[in-house]
Formats: sequence, structure tokens, C-alpha cells
Amino acid sequence: DQQVKQNSPSLSVQEGRISILNCDYTNSMFDYFLWYKKYPAEGPTFLISISSIKDKNEDGRFTVFLNKSAKHLSLHIVPSQPGDSAVYFCAASGTSGTYKYIFGTGTRLKVLA
Amino acid sequence: EPEVTQTPSHQVTQMGQEVILRCVPISNHLYFYWYRQILGQKVEFLVSFYNNEISEKSEIFDDQFSVERPDGSNFTLKIRSTKLEDSAMYFCASSLPGHGDTIYFGEGSWLTVV
Repeated sequence: DQQVKQNSPSLSVQEGRISILNCDYTNSMFDYFLWYKKYPAEGPTFLISISSIKDKNEDGRFTVFLNKSAKHLSLHIVPSQPGDSAVYFCAASGTSGTYKYIFGTGTRLKVLA
Repeated sequence: EPEVTQTPSHQVTQMGQEVILRCVPISNHLYFYWYRQILGQKVEFLVSFYNNEISEKSEIFDDQFSVERPDGSNFTLKIRSTKLEDSAMYFCASSLPGHGDTIYFGEGSWLTVV
């Protein structure tokens, strides 16, 4: 089940620069998307969400962009900080009414000081 | 800030034994979930629960799994006869009603089956 894909398993960015994490999905019925940050042996921590009626949502250093025609979303972190180093997951939900989220495989971000 | 709490944080069990993982969802949330993550793999949906019944379950959630809300605060996942491949981090999550509401995860219960 590869409905949500994060094709970059890892990403390294210098402190202060922009981190861009990408996520692609195949199911056009998905209409709500979440980004989570996860440290080893901890639960995913919610970062930011976007619904399909928007193409951008911003919260502090985090901005999520949604391109529905391309079935692509991205998370921008600017400026990147060493504490941002973690695994980032995107998750998508459709109109099934059961609030089941499909997760991507994750991208490990390393912010270099 | 309200949070989802899970116990135990880590459990080691013999293959074939029953395991119960416990969760206390956020108090005003009405939807509850279990997800799991096998080491090195992605987070996978197991089951969602609403109004005292299962809303949806994945193909992973077979007859050896069950969920229960035994009282007003706890939400449990029972694995009846554990297998080696059940070794994973199990995450409980909860959300408010309404499609698209954010789901909040607990810290996870790491299950090791030996």
C-alpha cells in the first residue's frame, strides 16, 4: 500500500537554511494532510496540517504547501535548527469517514550546526 | 497540555503469550486509534474506534487483536497469542470528532516478542 510516498529517505541541511521535505500521494480522495515529527522511541508529534481547500498553511517556521493537481505536498522549515533533526512523516486521510490516516515512510532530516 | 498516555513503555513477552497495551486518550476526544511501527518501517494503521465499536480496521488487525474501552478513560489493545512479527512500537492516538481533525499520539509501547 504505497498511497503516500516520501521518496527521500534522508536530507541534510545546514543550520539556518531552508529544509524542504516532500510527500506524494496517489489517492485523489485524500483531502486532509498532516505532518508529524518523530524522535527515536517516541510517538509522532503533530506539526502542521492542511486541508484540500487550501494550498498553503503556515505556522511559525513551518509552512506546508499543497499542489492538488500534482498530488504533492511539501513541508518547509525555515530557518532550520539542529533541534529539528528528526524523522518527518506526512499522513493523509480521505473522505472515508473513519479518520484513518495513511503514513508515508518518513524522511530523516539532519540539521548540521 | 493534554496528552495521550500509554503503558507500559516497554514490554518483553514470550511468543504465544497474551499482551494488553493500555492507553488513556485525551479526555474530550471521542475517536481512538492504534497504530504500530515495526523497526525501520513506516507507521501503520491498525484500528479506529468510536462510540464503543470498531470504525475501521486494517488487514493487520486480525482475530488475534482486539480493542476495548473498559471504562470512561482507558482504551486497550489486546494481542491474544503473540508472534515474533508482532514486535513493534504500538502507538495509541485520539482525536476530536469531525473529519480531518488532527490525531494526537502517545509516546508508544515498545513490544518485544521473544
